[in-house]
Amino acid sequence: GEDVEQSLFLSVREGDSSVINCTYTDSSSTYLYWYKQEPGAGLQLLTYIFSNMDMKQDQRLTVLLNKKDKHLSLRIADTQTGDSAIYFCAETPRGYQKVTFGIGTKLQVIP
Amino acid sequence: DTAVSQTPKYLVTQMGNDKSIKCEQNLGHDTMYWYKQDSKKFLKIMFSYNNKELIINETVPNRFSPKSPDKAHLNLHINSLELGDSAVYFCASSLDGNEQFFGPGTRLTVL
Repeated sequence: GEDVEQSLFLSVREGDSSVINCTYTDSSSTYLYWYKQEPGAGLQLLTYIFSNMDMKQDQRLTVLLNKKDKHLSLRIADTQTGDSAIYFCAETPRGYQKVTFGIGTKLQVIP
Repeated sequence: DTAVSQTPKYLVTQMGNDKSIKCEQNLGHDTMYWYKQDSKKFLKIMFSYNNKELIINETVPNRFSPKSPDKAHLNLHINSLELGDSAVYFCASSLDGNEQFFGPGTRLTVL
């Protein structure tokens, strides 16, 4: 995760919006992803965005990409207790067939 | 209907032993991966195979040897297990190197 940075922890109240932030360093990255990992489970791809897009919305999830600042965010509207998990930001640098992950942000939703 | 499956789910073994973890995908993908997730949830790629050929090997000790008998399987064999090998190992597969589908993980504990 040395190229992808995230804050470690976020706590929100049920019903509020959550915003998880990520900074990446490879400006040539083609794809940027958000994965969710629930306790004891594998990684689930939530959404991804192409580097030529600024925003993508999928139901309660909104991804914003600021290419100038190399900043990616995931907004979860109306956060539920089932959203409690670790969220990983990840990127695919151009020309590589691998995904580089951030350290993960643990989201805690308080009822 | 499991897309990416791994066996075993849990593996507890003594230091110095040799063990294998198996991975199978039924998605028809050409590329498969092994990732290691340590106790701090840091997720790092180890290997990637495309059509049974090794394409990524990320500074992993020689004690780790991936084997791909066909493009639907990528097994991980570990010789002379060490305490530091304790982690969760995830297999993943991908059609185009970007969107990756992860298995449920194998929790390896070396005593």
